[in-house]
Amino acid sequence: DAGVIQSPRHEVTEMGQEVTLRCKPISGHNSLFWYRQTMMRGLELLIYFNNNVPIDDSGMPEDRFSAKMPNASFSTLKIQPSEPRDSAVYFCASRPGAGEQYFGPGTRLTVT
Amino acid sequence: TQLLEQSPQFLSIQEGENLTVYCNSSSVFSSLQWYRQEPGEGPVLLVTVVTGGEVKKLKRLTFQFGDARKDSSLHITAAQPGDTGLYLCAGPNTNAGKSTFGDGTTLTVKP
Repeated sequence: DAGVIQSPRHEVTEMGQEVTLRCKPISGHNSLFWYRQTMMRGLELLIYFNNNVPIDDSGMPEDRFSAKMPNASFSTLKIQPSEPRDSAVYFCASRPGAGEQYFGPGTRLTVT
Repeated sequence: TQLLEQSPQFLSIQEGENLTVYCNSSSVFSSLQWYRQEPGEGPVLLVTVVTGGEVKKLKRLTFQFGDARKDSSLHITAAQPGDTGLYLCAGPNTNAGKSTFGDGTTLTVKP
């Protein structure tokens, strides 16, 4: 299995631009998580889906952030408009049932 | 809210030394996971401990789950530079599909 796939691996954009991060979970995993990691706040859960349905989005910082999971093999995290404080590494993770989470390699986002 | 506290936050040692890092909570967890994250990569699952008092070994790494399932430790014997990374513990939240993650221990092993 290829594991969790994220794209792009690096994204540099200017403040105010729209950013879309993509994730392909491991086939057969029914839960998907989006995290943000920074030195100051560590690993923060933004939102998670179960069977493509958003279950808990309480970690989404504000309305500029949105996430979708149109099918079992694809999810996006969108930031519109982006701000410098959004700079972080964004991870997607998937999980089979109630087991362990498997993380992707992350997207390093820099907003200038 | 179930919290996981990891200590120490940072640890820098010489190659060949032994070390132990800790993951503590006031809450009971049904299981705990340990992950290692190397720079520029995502966290990689090392082990899951499920039973109170359980000890699992992975080569030079020994993981222990407390009897009350509120804490866990990771002991590394004869550390190597390849062990350098951020060690995270995590546990599933009760009645929720998400997990709680600790803030991690950043380990540096110098050659």
